[in-house]
Formats: sequence, C-alpha cells, structure tokens
Amino acid sequence: QSVLTQPPSASGTPGQRVTISCSGSNSNIGGNYVFWYQQFPGTAPKLLIHRNDQRPSGVTDRFTGSKSGTSASLAISGLRPEDEADYYCASWDDSLGGRVFGTGTKVTVL
Amino acid sequence: QVQLQESGPGLVKPSETLSLTCAVSGVSITNNNWWTWVRQPPGKGLEWIGEIYHRGSINFSPSLKSRLTMSVDKSKNQISLNLNSVTAADTAVYYCATSYQFAEIQHWGQGTLVDVST
Repeated sequence: QSVLTQPPSASGTPGQRVTISCSGSNSNIGGNYVFWYQQFPGTAPKLLIHRNDQRPSGVTDRFTGSKSGTSASLAISGLRPEDEADYYCASWDDSLGGRVFGTGTKVTVL
Repeated sequence: QVQLQESGPGLVKPSETLSLTCAVSGVSITNNNWWTWVRQPPGKGLEWIGEIYHRGSINFSPSLKSRLTMSVDKSKNQISLNLNSVTAADTAVYYCATSYQFAEIQHWGQGTLVDVST
C-alpha cells in the first residue's frame, strides 16, 4: 500500500556510513518535501529530517537527508549501536491528497 | 510542550466500530495545527489514516475514507477517530500526531494498541 519504496534492511559496522534510499514519484517526492523518521521498537516515531535536508534541534549531524528528483536518501555516518532502529521516509502525495510513508528500513549495526 | 494521549478500547469485535480519542495538552486544538492519525499493524510499517483541521477540513486515506470519521472537540481540546466495519486487518497501534499543513509530523502520542478480534 506504501507508495514510497525503501530497502527492507541496511547494515554496517560501527563507524561506517549507511545510506537508505526512498523512491517515489512526481506526485509525492518530486513535488513535495521529504521527511525522515526514526522508530525504536515499542515507541512512537521521532522526526529526524524535515524539508528534505533539515535537522530539527537536537538531532545529531551524523544524519543527513537529501533529495533528487523523485528520490530521496538518508545517510547515517559514524554508525553507532544506538542507531539500530527502523527508518521511514514520508512525503505528501498530491494525487492521493494525503501523506504517504515509505515501506521502512531496518538498520542493523553489526 | 505539546503532549498527545490516545485512549480507547484495546479490543474491538469484527464488524463493529473502532473509536479512539486523543487528548491534547500544551497547545490549543484551535491553533494552526492539523491533527493526524497514523497506524502501524504489528511488525509492519506506518500507515497514514487521515487528518483534520479545527475548522472542519479533512484529508482521509483513500483506502479508509468510506469507513472513517474524525472530529474535533474544542471544549475538551481533543480529537476523535471512528473507523467502522473493522476487520482483523485493522489491528494496529494507533498514533495521534500533529503537524502544520503539508509539513513534518512534529509531535506524536505514545500510541494505543487496538486488537480486532472475537
């Protein structure tokens, strides 16, 4: 049902850089902002990135968002064990007239 | 500090109506916010349900629109969600959240698990 596609999993060793992709279309990512959320098991999602590449106050600069055309990506640099979580991209979809979430990516720190 | 607290029955029978409320504190419900519901089936991803503005404007997920109602209670500073004719596929953690129009969801409730089962 998700219209934004993410890889189901990503992994890396501590200190490495991990990148998560988010693929959409002109009706969502192509024409609207992209947001990224981090979610730990049993807890509500937390905003990581807004307006494609902006970090809210308090979010470490190890998280970097970017957008190009109808795709976006989230990079985690200097991977740490506490980064192990699920990550979701999101956007507004003009065709659906509502918000859409990505399929989610589980990041594992090896 | 904005706080959102969902409440409602944890168990709903198939074909019945799922009803949840979200108590809002730290901001007036008549502020320039959109009030959103998101759900997450066990072990699965996030699904946007819909959103409402205090003046009555609504945006609903096309897949749920026919079964969905939302309302704002300004006197209680809370919002409500009703989803009728539920099935097991509606079993999920339901989150109340808020944002500005088309913007990021800034604040989330802790979520409440609703199990649709006999």
